[in-house]
Amino acid sequence: AQSVTQLGSHVSVSEGALVLLRCNYSSSVPPYLFWYVQYPNQGLQLLLKYTTGATLVKGINGFEAEFKKSETSFHLTKPSAHMSDAAEYFCASSGGSNYKLTFGKGTLLTVNP
Amino acid sequence: EPEVTQTPSHQVTQMGQEVILRCVPISNHLYFYWYRQILGQKVEFLVSFYNNEISEKSEIFDDQFSVERPDGSNFTLKIRSTKLEDSAMYFCASSAGGFGYYEQYFGPGTRLTVT
Repeated sequence: AQSVTQLGSHVSVSEGALVLLRCNYSSSVPPYLFWYVQYPNQGLQLLLKYTTGATLVKGINGFEAEFKKSETSFHLTKPSAHMSDAAEYFCASSGGSNYKLTFGKGTLLTVNP
Repeated sequence: EPEVTQTPSHQVTQMGQEVILRCVPISNHLYFYWYRQILGQKVEFLVSFYNNEISEKSEIFDDQFSVERPDGSNFTLKIRSTKLEDSAMYFCASSAGGFGYYEQYFGPGTRLTVT
């Protein structure tokens, strides 16, 4: 069974500041990990994913995430927040042949001018 | 860029009524999914569909739910007799493959309100 926990339902940062959104997972098999973003009135859009190989994954819009097996974490970061980054962010996992995505509760990112 | 579309964007229905939520997946995708998100809760998997049959379903997906691919483009979720607790945002998704590392492309969702 898999589970995903996102710490902080709401994160607020200033424009230009570091963005850090936390995600921890629990999985009985090596997980595939995903970060999705949802802008208002839009669907979930994939930011990045980890499957195998390099543990630091780069995605769209300057975001990256690092898979840390020892910490069972997959935190999402961006060095400098932009106003357009304001959205809800979802961490999700799947495992092996099980393509069902298990989601965290989401983190709403607010960017202040 | 290809995208998943869903209609309607918002549906209001009375308890006990049947509703059909419609989705058009990306045209060359083979795997289709429904998820839902009750307000304030996690996005939850409902069902996956491949080769014209259900490949996996969650415990939420009971006998009041059904899915169908009535033609080559649409994928529908039917709720036969809606309950208040069915009020949620319903997301359709599709993917090119069925293994766990394939990206699932999501539609914008249908907000279902049961009164």
